[in-house]
Amino acid sequence: AQTVTQSQPEMSVQEAETVTLSCTYDTSENNYYLFWYKQPPSRQMILVIRQEAYKQQNATENRFSVNFQKAAKSFSLKISDSQLGDTAMYFCAFMKPGSSNTGKLIFGQGTTLQVKP
Amino acid sequence: DARVTQTPRHKVTEMGQEVTMRCQPILGHNTVFWYRQTMMQGLELLAYFRNRAPLDDSGMPKDRFSAEMPDATLATLKIQPSEPRDSAVYFCASGTIHYSISGPWDYEQYFGPGTRLTVT
Repeated sequence: AQTVTQSQPEMSVQEAETVTLSCTYDTSENNYYLFWYKQPPSRQMILVIRQEAYKQQNATENRFSVNFQKAAKSFSLKISDSQLGDTAMYFCAFMKPGSSNTGKLIFGQGTTLQVKP
Repeated sequence: DARVTQTPRHKVTEMGQEVTMRCQPILGHNTVFWYRQTMMQGLELLAYFRNRAPLDDSGMPKDRFSAEMPDATLATLKIQPSEPRDSAVYFCASGTIHYSISGPWDYEQYFGPGTRLTVT
């Protein structure tokens, strides 16, 4: 069974600095998707970024980028130029596509990020 | 800007009462999910549907929970009877697969705002 581990329960960063959130996963599959979701105090789950395992190029979305190391089964999220609005809990998630599995997300425990002014 | 909608946003009820939560997936999405979030268990998948057919509800306590999708625009999650341990935030999410030239598929899944349920 697939598992997702986020080893940093809490992190903090100064506004405008860069922070990296860690995520590792365990799978024997070769083809899969990885996601980072943001959950601010409003509790809304917001998709931040996604990575397809078959793509070697790391995904980027504005200030958010990932470092995808397939062999190491590592999927870290880098937030550049941190803003106060980035304060939230961040979840890493794994999805193995397949006829019956497509869409079924396995989440990590989450990392609470505090951006300080 | 297409969004998943959920009602109600908040629900407080007494133990033993029936609770019904509703979800409207994004138009065109063919997969709908129900998740539960608690401090102790984190995010758990309760059930999911594809093209309105239930695919997996193994995460759901079947003696009291039921999930249905009467049509493509409505998914429901019912708890009867409710218990204090059911207190949680319940999320609905919808998703779909795109087949693109850059790869075998492209997948997206978006969450609704959640229903915060408190059972006293």
